[in-house]
Amino acid sequence: GAVVSQHPSRVICKSGTSVKIECRSLDFQATTMFWYRQFPKQSLMLMATSNEGSKATYEQGVEKDKFLINHASLTLSTLTVTSAHPEDSSFYICSAPRPPGQGQGETQYFGPGTRLLVL
Amino acid sequence: AQSVTQLDSHVSVSEGTPVLLRCNYSSSYSPSLFWYVQHPNKGLQLLLKYTSAATLVKGINGFEAEFKKSETSFHLTKPSAHMSDAAEYFCAPGGGSTLGRLYFGRGTQLTVWP
Repeated sequence: GAVVSQHPSRVICKSGTSVKIECRSLDFQATTMFWYRQFPKQSLMLMATSNEGSKATYEQGVEKDKFLINHASLTLSTLTVTSAHPEDSSFYICSAPRPPGQGQGETQYFGPGTRLLVL
Repeated sequence: AQSVTQLDSHVSVSEGTPVLLRCNYSSSYSPSLFWYVQHPNKGLQLLLKYTSAATLVKGINGFEAEFKKSETSFHLTKPSAHMSDAAEYFCAPGGGSTLGRLYFGRGTQLTVWP
């Protein structure tokens, strides 16, 4: 079964509104999670590293004020797309590595993704 | 920094024939390398990973990849394609010092014809 969940699976919003996407690790603790975005027919692009208890680390070119990340607990990271615009429409995917010592060695699990459409 | 190049954006094969998905890496040191598969409307799934323990890596669903340092390649192969193999495949090097940062290649769409 799924070990990383995302909610919602898809969302449609109006331009200018904010959208929050949740990423949860279901049966292990993740001090670090990752957020990616994927445009149609393109690859996944790493946006940021979400760190529990500290600020997220953003990749070059990703606006941290636009994409707010909060790693509220060891099993939950949220990505908020603020003042969304049509160009923010994309497929957002999170991942969480299960560290060694929490069963099954080092393995990274991906969420099923959230499809965002901004009208 | 590590990076990868997936040489083919699209590969088409007939069911039962071999699959070859190509990936070249660029790194100044021994890399860690991964192959992931993405089926429509499903999360990415790890096929296999290379972490310098063995050059021939066997993964799930009959896939395997061979790390060739002389060719800086890590091509994904399968002896006999199945219809269920049709998906998008991504090669990725491990990135940075943080476990799990991945910088994916552009992807290769595999089509399997009956």
